[in-house]
Amino acid sequence: RKEVEQDPGPFNVPEGATVAFNCTYSNSASQSFFWYRQDCRKEPKLLMSVYSSGNEDGRFTAQLNRASQYISLLIRDSKLSDSATYLCVVNMRNDYKLSFGAGTTVTVRA
Amino acid sequence: DARVTQTPRHKVTEMGQEVTMRCQPILGHNTVFWYRQTMMQGLELLAYFRNRAPLDDSGMPKDRFSAEMPDATLATLKIQPSEPRDSAVYFCASGSGTPHEQYFGPGTRLTVT
Repeated sequence: RKEVEQDPGPFNVPEGATVAFNCTYSNSASQSFFWYRQDCRKEPKLLMSVYSSGNEDGRFTAQLNRASQYISLLIRDSKLSDSATYLCVVNMRNDYKLSFGAGTTVTVRA
Repeated sequence: DARVTQTPRHKVTEMGQEVTMRCQPILGHNTVFWYRQTMMQGLELLAYFRNRAPLDDSGMPKDRFSAEMPDATLATLKIQPSEPRDSAVYFCASGSGTPHEQYFGPGTRLTVT
């Protein structure tokens, strides 16, 4: 079983729509959680951290459910520029090793 | 705007050849990571260094891969001999202490024929 699993999508949504997707992690002792974004043929970039109480950054909302071992990302009022692959990232042992999911692809259409 | 730089950006080589990839981390960052990304496996951590010392290279095939940091401004990843299954994008990332804040370079796209 992979450490971090994501629905690969793709999620095809119109501009202005809301899109949400989850990822699950296998290690219940995981310490911290993040979402990275990767544009086509580009490098991954940190989008946001995920806190236990849930957190927002503009149109993006991240949630953590430790009991069920999943995190979620919700994008409101989606823009064409939100089209990307979103990587779920888990830090298992609070060291420097990050475990990346395979990514969820989102395509926002005009 | 500080960035991680990687060279070469693209490399096509024949099976059996040596491949060397280079990375210049962001000035002042003391943690450097090497990742490999393929469609099948996604992003995998190969090795990482802190203050130039290798901390973990358990993700790296030891028989053909080696990673070093000759100085604080240069990290290298070598494959010798290369094989077609090594074809992937190799990313270098650097950070300054917070595990999740890793800044990725543009990657080296390696094709081994």
